[in-house]
Amino acid sequence: EDKVVQSPLSLVVHEGDTVTLNCSYEVTNFRSLLWYKQEKKAPTFLFMLTSSGIEKKSGRLSSILDKKELFSILNITATQTGDSAIYLCAFISNDMRFGAGTRLTVKP
Amino acid sequence: DSGVTQTPKHLITATGQRVTLRCSPRSGDLSVYWYQQSLDQGLQFLIQYYNGEERAKGNILERFSAQQFPDLHSELNLSSLELGDSALYFCASTDGYEQFFGPGTRLTVL
Repeated sequence: EDKVVQSPLSLVVHEGDTVTLNCSYEVTNFRSLLWYKQEKKAPTFLFMLTSSGIEKKSGRLSSILDKKELFSILNITATQTGDSAIYLCAFISNDMRFGAGTRLTVKP
Repeated sequence: DSGVTQTPKHLITATGQRVTLRCSPRSGDLSVYWYQQSLDQGLQFLIQYYNGEERAKGNILERFSAQQFPDLHSELNLSSLELGDSALYFCASTDGYEQFFGPGTRLTVL
């Protein structure tokens, strides 16, 4: 059965730290992997990754996909308190499946 | 503001009832996704429509149905409601590059 696992489940850091969030998957007919940030309500789209080894970057956030080892990482550098949120990854195959998320807390 | 609108914002109803949730995608976006988020299940993909046609189906119950109209707005119909259907229901639209979520409809089934 297709599945996606995120780790860690929860992470507490201080402002200025760099964090790496992991998303591993097992899926047939993989098409793409997506990252979202969810604060209080609706998720906010971050990245869509379809090709292996190509880093996507947006400000302090970056992500990369490894289709051979079946994982993706989301990096956040120089974290700020506003980065505190749940980060979700999801893959798209014949449908779409979300991981349980990583809860990131950034302390001042 | 993502440009995706959902109505109503909150809905409280009783078991056994039927409700309709409405979503208007961003102007120009042809694709609409529906998601359910409950505390114990996390975010679950329900169904996707593209330009009026069903494109992909996720964990959508038979009691639920959806459609996308010619003006591209979409409706999610939930019938024979159960307590476990209480959740946040999001829709999202995409321009093919990014996905934009609406604010959600909170459904409470009593």
